Amino acid sequence: DQQVKQNSPSLSVQEGRISILNCDYTNSMFDYFLWYKKYPAEGPTFLISISSIKDKNEDGRFTVFLNKSAKHLSLHIVPSQPGDSAVYFCAARGWGSQGNLIFGKGTKLSVKP
Amino acid sequence: DAGITQSPRHKVTETGTPVTLRCHQTENHRYMYWYRQDPGHGLRLIHYSYGVKDTDKGEVSDGYSVSRSKTEDFLLTLESATSSQTSVYFCAIRGASDTEAFFGQGTRLTVV
Repeated sequence: DQQVKQNSPSLSVQEGRISILNCDYTNSMFDYFLWYKKYPAEGPTFLISISSIKDKNEDGRFTVFLNKSAKHLSLHIVPSQPGDSAVYFCAARGWGSQGNLIFGKGTKLSVKP
Repeated sequence: DAGITQSPRHKVTETGTPVTLRCHQTENHRYMYWYRQDPGHGLRLIHYSYGVKDTDKGEVSDGYSVSRSKTEDFLLTLESATSSQTSVYFCAIRGASDTEAFFGQGTRLTVV
């Protein structure tokens, strides 16, 4: 059973507009949530994280929002740039499993010029 | 650059042969991981290590074994490769903040 779900396999956005990537989780014991970006033929790179005690974290053009009651988080990219085109993975850190990360299946973002 | 090197970067092997993938880190971090990435499945944890000679299974460990005899090296072995193990394999280390993981460049393995 998937504990971290990214229900949109792909998203297409116009350059300059906002990109919103969504992620749902089922385990209320996760204590950190993370977003990774992955380009083809490269390893995933860490983008931004949020503690479960926060509801927002911002880093430049990237903001992550956490809604614990809905078990939902989202990554906002404003403004979107063509270089943001990549696969984005949502991940959650578990409490009891040595703090290992559990990943969603990813959302492919395409930012069109 | 998180100081992680995976080798080889690409490998083609035949069904039934043993294969070992190597992950080397220069950061002296305690935790190391092996993930596989497949279309429609995202990143799935195979095995992880929390110290020298300390390893444990992840979500998809069947058909894989690991060893960690030195802090800097984490080996993933496919004892008898199968076509279902064709995948891209990523090694990762847990960063100093103890939260995020940093990934290597990946090894593309094809089992024919």
